[in-house]
Amino acid sequence: AIRMTQSPSSLSASTGDRVTITCRASQGISSYLAWYQQKPGKAPKLLIFAASTLQSGVPSRFSGSGSGTDFTLTISCLQSEDFATYYCQQYYSYPWTFGQGTKVEIK
Amino acid sequence: EVQLVESGGDLVQPGGSLRLSCAASGFTFNSYWMSWVRQTPGKGLEWVANIKQDGSERYYVDSVKGRFIISRDNAKNSLYLQMNSLRAEDTAFYYCARDSATVTPRGNFDYWGQGTLVTVSS
Repeated sequence: AIRMTQSPSSLSASTGDRVTITCRASQGISSYLAWYQQKPGKAPKLLIFAASTLQSGVPSRFSGSGSGTDFTLTISCLQSEDFATYYCQQYYSYPWTFGQGTKVEIK
Repeated sequence: EVQLVESGGDLVQPGGSLRLSCAASGFTFNSYWMSWVRQTPGKGLEWVANIKQDGSERYYVDSVKGRFIISRDNAKNSLYLQMNSLRAEDTAFYYCARDSATVTPRGNFDYWGQGTLVTVSS
């Protein structure tokens, strides 16, 4: 199975900050990567697919980039509602696998 | 409005069985691949299985192959997960999730249910 490794595991940031989360795949996955946001007690929410395509309704402050093995999720100007845990997921090959998550906390 | 509502989670002894259900509404159910994804505090999110629109193709993560069976009833707009020979490590919240594309699976999920808790313990 393809292993997805996110860094950092957690970070503290302030409203208005620019935040970057990275995700590395154990082998090349082209652009078959998605990002999700999850808040406590809720299901994950799809933010980005195909590494850089914003899901409908997701604010433009979210962006994704990368291909092959290295990917990033950037939040350009952190808002209060963005404090959550973020997961990457590869869908290049079965079994589809997720990263371990990055928790974005209030500084 | 798209809705996915899971049910069937419970406390079950190791070696036991359980059947999860997911009732879908607000979209054309038989147009989408559907998946089960589970989440534990320790292991995070794990894709478990998925099924093609007509049920003719199914895929599983290795850890559940031979024990779990995914199925669907398009007439009832429902997705199921039959879980047999349950182990402590199957303890998790189980979500049903809709693939974000029709026809061929895109492999990511645009709608999720609220989850149902399965606890495997003696």
